[in-house]
Formats: sequence, structure tokens, C-alpha cells
Amino acid sequence: GAGVSQSPSNKVTEKGKDVELRCDPISGHTALYWYRQSLGQGLEFLIYFQGNSAPDKSGLPSDRFSAERTGGSVSTLTIQRTQQEDSAVYLCASSLFGTDTQYFGPGTRLTVL
Amino acid sequence: GESVGLHLPTLSVQEGDNSIINCAYSNSASDYFIWYKQESGKGPQFIIDIRSNMDKRQGQRVTVLLNKTVKHLSLQIAATQPGDSAVYFCAENRGRNAGNMLTFGGGTRLMVKP
Repeated sequence: GAGVSQSPSNKVTEKGKDVELRCDPISGHTALYWYRQSLGQGLEFLIYFQGNSAPDKSGLPSDRFSAERTGGSVSTLTIQRTQQEDSAVYLCASSLFGTDTQYFGPGTRLTVL
Repeated sequence: GESVGLHLPTLSVQEGDNSIINCAYSNSASDYFIWYKQESGKGPQFIIDIRSNMDKRQGQRVTVLLNKTVKHLSLQIAATQPGDSAVYFCAENRGRNAGNMLTFGGGTRLMVKP
């Protein structure tokens, strides 16, 4: 079956612009996660959704970052007024509620000039 | 604080040899660990997991060992193949009360020489 998909695969933007990153989880998966992977770094947790609710937003780096999920499916991560330090690969993962295995998408590579 | 880390950033092995990738963790309450493989330009791919009530778990050509006494786990890959070349991450699952959030180590790059 189809895995987790993310779009766009690459995004180049200018400092100060807003960007939206999209994640389509595996069909039927109720939990959805966003992670960030900076150059030479490991993966950093950002936020997760159970259904449409985000119980824990503590991983978001600043108030310029926000995320939403509608219909228990697609999620959008929005970064406002992008900064060069926001450049990274943004990864999305999903899992079935009650199970622990997270399946990752291919990521969106964001470059802020 | 809690951390999950790796001992070696790069491991180079000959094709056909066995590979061992190590990971240390600091939270003695950690009870679920996962190994992921990440190839260039792709997202992490689940390899194998282990819970704290086990010391060893085997998959296809892979084995994960967990030593709770020294808070260490390892991933063993038998008969390493060129397709195994990738970055390997260990991750700690924070549990269902934390939404199964993963905390990742820094990664080890495995290079397989033909």
C-alpha cells in the first residue's frame, strides 16, 4: 500500500517568507509526527497529532512554527518569517493508534536563502 | 537529562563481514528502542525494535542486543551487503503517555567496501 507522502520534496525560499509543508499519512493511521533533521544532526521531534489534536507542542522551536491536521489525515506544518536556521529536512511519520511503529515519509528539504 | 547517543560516527566494513553499530542511552526508565536505516535522500526506514523485557531480538540478517545494566544497545548486521550502506539511527520511544514520541541518537554511517 501507499506509504507516507510529503510535498514538496524540495523548497527554496527567501528569508522572511512563509512556507507550508504537507504530509499525507498512511491511510488509517491516527497518529502523525513531525521531525526536523538539520545538516549533520540527528532527528529532532517537533510535534505530534493524535487524530486532529496536538497534545504536545513543546518541541516546536519557536512561535513561528505551527501545525494543523484536518479530518484526521493530512497535516500541514507552517513556518512563518523563515530564517536561515530553519533550513533542514522536515520529516513526517505516522503510526496506528495503539501501536508504536512509526513509518516515515521521504521528507521535505527546506532551504532558506 | 535524557539522551540517546552513538559511539562511532562512521563504520567501514568489507562486504560479507558482520557489522556492529552501538548506541548508549542514559534514561534507565527507557523501555522501548528502535533502529532505523536512512539512505541518502530518503526518510528513516524501520529495521527492528526491542523492549526492555528482552535482551535480544533477531530479524532477517539483523540482531539487536540490549544490555540494561550498562544502558547499551547494538545492531548487528550479518554478511553486510553494499545495500546496507546508509546511516543508522537508534531511537528511544517515550511511550504511549508521550504519544510515542521518538528521541534519536546522532547516527552512524555504515560504509560497505566491495
